[in-house]
Order: sequence, then C-alpha cells, then structure tokens
Amino acid sequence: AQSVTQLGSHVSVSEGALVLLRCNYSSSVPPYLFWYVQYPNQGLQLLLKYTTGATLVKGINGFEAEFKKSETSFHLTKPSAHMSDAAEYFCAVSEIRSSASKIIFGSGTRLSIRP
Amino acid sequence: KAGVTQTPRYLIKTRGQQVTLSCSPISGHRSVSWYQQTPGQGLQFLFEYFSETQRNKGNFPGRFSGRQFSNSRSEMNVSTLELGDSALYLCASSLVQGGVDEQFFGPGTRLTVL
Repeated sequence: AQSVTQLGSHVSVSEGALVLLRCNYSSSVPPYLFWYVQYPNQGLQLLLKYTTGATLVKGINGFEAEFKKSETSFHLTKPSAHMSDAAEYFCAVSEIRSSASKIIFGSGTRLSIRP
Repeated sequence: KAGVTQTPRYLIKTRGQQVTLSCSPISGHRSVSWYQQTPGQGLQFLFEYFSETQRNKGNFPGRFSGRQFSNSRSEMNVSTLELGDSALYLCASSLVQGGVDEQFFGPGTRLTVL
C-alpha cells in the first residue's frame, strides 16, 4: 500500500535561507509524486509533480524537488525563502495504475519564515 | 476558466443533524474527490466520483455519502453529525480518474458541529 511521511510538522527558516521540506514515500509500483501548498483559509494548490522522465522537477514560485528512487524520497527545496512562502506544504503520492489509484497525502509541514 | 467552487463556505450544525455540501468542478473535469481536513488527522480521502459513479472510497463510516450529477457537480452528505465531524471539507476536481493527474482544489467548507 502507498504511504507518505513528511519529516517535521513545523519548519522555520530565515528570510533568504534555504528551504528544505522532507518527504519519503512507500509504493509498490512506480509512483506519481506531488507537492501542494495551502495558504490560510484556502484550498490546496499544486506546486509541482513528478510522473516520469527527469528526476529534478521545477515548480512554481522557485520551488523544485528531486525524485530519488533509491532513497524513496521527494524532498522540496527553494534556494532563498521569501516571507510569502509561509504556508502549509503537503507531499502526496499516487500509484501509476488504473481506476484503483487515489492520491494519498502526507500530514503536512508548516513553513514559517523569520524576518 | 472558473475554479472549483464549494458552497457554503461556513456551516454550523448541532449533533444529530445532517448536512449537505456542494462542489462544482472546473468545466470539463469529470472527476471529483472529497477530503476531510482536521488538525489531528490531516488530509483524509473520503471518496472519488467519476461520470456519476463512485470509483474509490476512503475509510469513513456510512454516515458519509456522496453523489455526482450528470453535469459533474457533486454533493456530499453527512448524517447524524458528531462533534468529531467538525472539519474543513475540501473538494478537488481533475480531468482524469484515479488521482494520477493534478487535482484542483476548492476553498473548502468549514463545518462546525456543536
């Protein structure tokens, strides 16, 4: 069965510092991997996704993530944090098969940015 | 293109009542999924509808049910409300079935059960 683990429910970084949000997944078949962001009082918005091909995926707002099969990881990074990045981030996995697939979300990581 | 809309945005009910939430997907999207989001349990999958049929279901009691209409709009119903049902209910639509594509989320309906 597929599952997602996000390490750290809360991460705090200084403005301008590197952002690293960790995500490990479990899947019995090749996965699709997603990162979503949720701002207060809003729904989730897709940041980036990995399906096949290049393992380094670039998303919106300067975020990127690298699919590492050997480590079953899909960590999210951004070189320089901005105050507007403060939000909750969710990693998600879906297995590449037919109608039985569904997206499983991690428990989320709240990102705070210190001035 | 208009996004996913959910109505109402806020709802207050008392224990034992029932509630119906509505979701209108992005035009052309035939898959609608529902999620419950709480501080303790995070984001949990309720069910997915595609072409008016429930295709996938999470681990929720039978008090939680849904349906999808021919225009892809979906409703979710919770009967005999319990305090623990207080949550943000999110609806998401996508082009294809099965969670293998990007899901577009609505702003959610915040349900408070007193």
